[in-house]
Amino acid sequence: DADVTQTPRNRITKTGKRIMLECSQTKGHDRMYWYRQDPGLGLRLIYYSFDVKDINKGEISDGYSVSRQAQAKFSLSLESAIPNQTALYFCATSDFRGRNEQFFGPGTRLTVL
Amino acid sequence: DQQVKQNSPSLSVQEGRISILNCDYTNSMFDYFLWYKKYPAEGPTFLISISSIKDKNEDGRFTVFLNKSAKHLSLHIVPSQPGDSAVYFCAASKSLSGTYKYIFGTGTRLKVLA
Repeated sequence: DADVTQTPRNRITKTGKRIMLECSQTKGHDRMYWYRQDPGLGLRLIYYSFDVKDINKGEISDGYSVSRQAQAKFSLSLESAIPNQTALYFCATSDFRGRNEQFFGPGTRLTVL
Repeated sequence: DQQVKQNSPSLSVQEGRISILNCDYTNSMFDYFLWYKKYPAEGPTFLISISSIKDKNEDGRFTVFLNKSAKHLSLHIVPSQPGDSAVYFCAASKSLSGTYKYIFGTGTRLKVLA
C-alpha cells in the first residue's frame, strides 16, 4: 500500500465551484506539504504544516486554504475554483529526523473549466 | 524570480553512456540540495542529496557534484539505463531556517535511448 495517498486522482470542475483535495499518509511523519506543478514552472509550494496546530503559507497560497484534520491528514481546498488553478497537485510528507527528503503522493490532476 | 534553474528542458543519451543534468541557483543561503526523479502519473521520488559542506556525494550509479562558488550542481548518471528515462528536478533549501522548504527547478526530461 502507498505511504502517501491522494484523492481524487483526477477531477474536472467548473469555475466558481468549491473543491477539496485530500491527502493521507501512513508514514507517521509530522510535516505535510501541498505543491502544484505547472508546465515549465516546476513544483511550487502552496501550504505546509509542521503539526496539527501549525499551518503556514507557501509561495502561492492565494485562492487556497488548508486543513490539518489529524497528523495523517492534510486537505487542500479551492473555495472558488478558477481556470488558472488547473494543474497537477502533489501532497508530500517529511520527518524532521530524516535526511530532509520529502515523500510525495501520486498527484491529483485538476482541471477547472 | 527563479531561484533554482534547470536550463535544459530535455536531454537524450545513449544507453550505457553518462547523463549529466545541470542545475543553477541564485541564493547563496541555500545549503542543502536534492534531486528528485519523476515518472509519468507518479509523484516525485527522492534520488540523492548533498549538503553544502560537501562537494560530491555518490550513491551507486548516481553522483551529485556541488560547486558553491559557481552556485551550480550537477547530477551524473553512469551508466545510463532506459529505466532512468524520467523528469529530474533539483531542489534547494535553507536548512538553518529549520523550515526545510524546498525551491524546485523546472525539471529536465531525460530520455535514455536503447
